[in-house]
Parts: sequence; C-alpha cells; structure tokens
Amino acid sequence: QLQLQLSGPGLVKPSETLSLTCAVSDDSIRNTNYHWGWIRQPPGKALEWIGSIHLTGTTYYNPSLKTRVTISIDMSNSQFSLRLTSLTAADTAVYYCARDIAYGTSDFWGQGTLVTVSS
Amino acid sequence: QSALTQPPSASGSPGQSVTISCTGTSSDVGNYKYVSWYQHHPGKAPKLMLYEVSRRPSGVPDRFSGSKSGNTASLTVSGLQAEDEADYYCGSYAGSINHVLFGGGTKLTVL
Repeated sequence: QLQLQLSGPGLVKPSETLSLTCAVSDDSIRNTNYHWGWIRQPPGKALEWIGSIHLTGTTYYNPSLKTRVTISIDMSNSQFSLRLTSLTAADTAVYYCARDIAYGTSDFWGQGTLVTVSS
Repeated sequence: QSALTQPPSASGSPGQSVTISCTGTSSDVGNYKYVSWYQHHPGKAPKLMLYEVSRRPSGVPDRFSGSKSGNTASLTVSGLQAEDEADYYCGSYAGSINHVLFGGGTKLTVL
C-alpha cells in the first residue's frame, strides 16, 4: 500500500522559509492520473489546501498563499516538496502531503508534521 | 471562517444515524461533483470516506453514504459505532482559481 513519508523541520523562525519533502513509497508518482498535494491544519482550525503538482510539473496553488508557495517534484527520487517563504506565526500548522486522485480529492495522506513558527 | 460551512458538532447513540451537512455556493459544491468527505482522528492522517459526492473507496463501510442537493452536500453515518467518533471534513473542487476548499469540520460524538 502507498505510504507517504513527510520530512522537514518542526521549528522555523519568523521570516524564514519552510521546506518540506514527501517521499512516495511506490511508483504511483509516475502515474499520470495523480496529482500530489499539500494541505495544512493550524491548531484548532480547519484544513487548508495549499496546492498540488502533477508529474508534468504543472502546479496549482491556493490563491491566498500563491505568492509564497512553490511545489516541486523530483521523479528520480520519488518525492515532491513544498517551499513556503516569509513565514509568520499564522503558518504554524500540521502540514500533510497527500495523493490527489481528481480535483482535490486526496485518497492517501501522509502522517502529518507539526511546524511551529517561532523565534 | 472556512469557505464551506459545516455544523461544529453532531452526535448520536450507537446504532442511530446522523447526517452532517456541508454548505457551499454555486461556484463550488453546487457546480461540481467533486465533493469529498474525510474522517480525522486527532493525531492521525485524515482518511477519505466518500468522493464524488457518494462514492466509497475500497474498505469504507456502506454505513457511510453521501448526497448533494443544490449547494449543500451531506454525509450520513448509519448504524453509528464507537469508532465513528472523529472529526469529519468536507472538501470541494472550486474551479480553476480557488481550486479546493474545505469545510470547518464537524466533531461527531457517539454518545
């Protein structure tokens, strides 16, 4: 069964850049039917879709985060990544990576990692 | 405030049925079949329970069903069981600008 392994720092300073990577355990990253996405959940708040990427490199971003977000994909290492710049405390959240089977439907999720933005 | 509106809480006794609503607009829930529901136990990864309004992924019990009318989608859990107690989120495709929206989540309590 597919596994998504998320890695990255748990603590980042304000104004700095967050980089997270999600490793895909099987060959589905090469399947053109899927997109690969990032979702976050601030403490006590709702899920927020960040964006997604297709293996062709086509990206889609939440318009509220678009100026600060970059999602990339590394086929050779079966992983995709999130980069979020100019961090503030409002970016403190549990970050998830997920496989998107169609128009924002995420059928597999990584375990999630808490990222705290604090000095 | 979330883009899709869900009741903050719902409850039912074991064996009963409960329905959770998810209200959007004609630009999201009302315009696309890509409405999904996720079960989230705190500390775990969310789990897809329904997609395309009413389709169940393999392994999801048929006690979980979905429907949509206009701008409101609904998740119904029949024959409530203790393990159904969790947070439930709806999600919807919202077009080429907003892409994906989520609801605020509903905490389902099995009494």
